[in-house]
Amino acid sequence: AQSVTQLGSHVSVSEGALVLLRCNYSSSVPPYLFWYVQYPNQGLQLLLKYTTGATLVKGINGFEAEFKKSETSFHLTKPSAHMSDAAEYFCAVSKNFGNEKLTFGTGTRLTIIP
Amino acid sequence: GAGVSQSPRYKVAKRGQDVALRCDPISGHVSLFWYQQALGQGPEFLTYFQNEAQLDKSGLPSDRFFAERPEGSVSTLKIQRTQQEDSAVYLCASSLAGTSGGAPYNEQFFGPGTRLTVL
Repeated sequence: AQSVTQLGSHVSVSEGALVLLRCNYSSSVPPYLFWYVQYPNQGLQLLLKYTTGATLVKGINGFEAEFKKSETSFHLTKPSAHMSDAAEYFCAVSKNFGNEKLTFGTGTRLTIIP
Repeated sequence: GAGVSQSPRYKVAKRGQDVALRCDPISGHVSLFWYQQALGQGPEFLTYFQNEAQLDKSGLPSDRFFAERPEGSVSTLKIQRTQQEDSAVYLCASSLAGTSGGAPYNEQFFGPGTRLTVL
């Protein structure tokens, strides 16, 4: 079975400050890892994904995440927060083949302080 | 191009009523997923279709939940005798390819969801 733990249901950062959203996973097979963003009343949008290869992956809107197998982590970062980054962020995992169902964490609501 | 669409966007039902939620995937997408997102939670998998075949329904919470995709395109999630605990946002996602072993990863594109409120 696979699972995802997101530490911190709410995170607040000042505009221009570093954003760090934490995600740890559990998987019995090499995982595919994802970060999704959800704006109010909208569907989920893929920010970035890790499948194989380079462990540091870059996504849209200046976000990046690093897959650390030894720590079973896939934390999301952005060097400088923008007001438009305020949203709910979900980390997700799926099995390492084909196109599989996603197992999501409980989400982290990011608030940007002007 | 058009993304995944869902209708209705909002649905209010009295306890005990039946509801039907519709998902229009991206044209040509083979795979279709349904997820349930309770308030303050992450989405949870309900069921999966590859074309018209329902390959995985392990996430359906009870036999009151039923999904179909008869022509391999539009899908309907039906909930019979709705209960208050069914209140949630129901998300649909589609992707281009199926789950054949060795198939490359294909992104799941999500619709905006249907917010169901059961009174």
